[in-house]
Amino acid sequence: GEDVEQSLFLSVREGDSSVINCTYTDSSSTYLYWYKQEPGAGLQLLTYIFSNMDMKQDQRLTVLLNKKDKHLSLRIADTQTGDSAIYFCAESIRSSASKIIFGSGTRLSIRP
Amino acid sequence: EAGVAQSPRYKIIEKRQSVAFWCNPISGHATLYWYQQILGQGPKLLIQFQNNGVVDDSQLPKDRFSAERLKGVDSTLKIQPAKLEDSAVYLCASRVAGGDNEQFFGPGTRLTVL
Repeated sequence: GEDVEQSLFLSVREGDSSVINCTYTDSSSTYLYWYKQEPGAGLQLLTYIFSNMDMKQDQRLTVLLNKKDKHLSLRIADTQTGDSAIYFCAESIRSSASKIIFGSGTRLSIRP
Repeated sequence: EAGVAQSPRYKIIEKRQSVAFWCNPISGHATLYWYQQILGQGPKLLIQFQNNGVVDDSQLPKDRFSAERLKGVDSTLKIQPAKLEDSAVYLCASRVAGGDNEQFFGPGTRLTVL
């Protein structure tokens, strides 16, 4: 079946690294995504990784993919107050062209 | 480049009333999506259009929800009659056909059904 799971909350101190974890079930996923949603706004694509990659780095963001365990993580280095948001993990389904399944989101809060 | 536009931003109705949402995708984007996002959950796909044709409406409650994209550009999503459990944010997204599969999202319409 198609399912994406994430923990609901994460609290980190400003300047520390944040690590948001996600597990998915569809082994035929082609792309895995991280979206950011700020209050009252739509979803913004932060980064994505192709399923044959293990890691992708983009400035403060590092995505790690463990395909064997179907585990995806997003690391945000030097977390800032502007990083406060809900982060959604999502997978695209190979059997359904361009259909994306979203997790329930992880709310990241930053404490001073 | 203008983003995905949606209106209205907020709507409050009573149960059993009807409501319609409008979406204007990014110019040139052939694929358009409507998602329902219930509070505390991730977006759930309701319907996907490719130009003016429906690609996937398997999650659309067709007894009360309908959507159209007559000219392959703008789209409307209608609920008739609304139920309390329809309270959610309705997100529209679009993407260019092919490419790297990035979907661009609008700000959403927050619907409250009383």
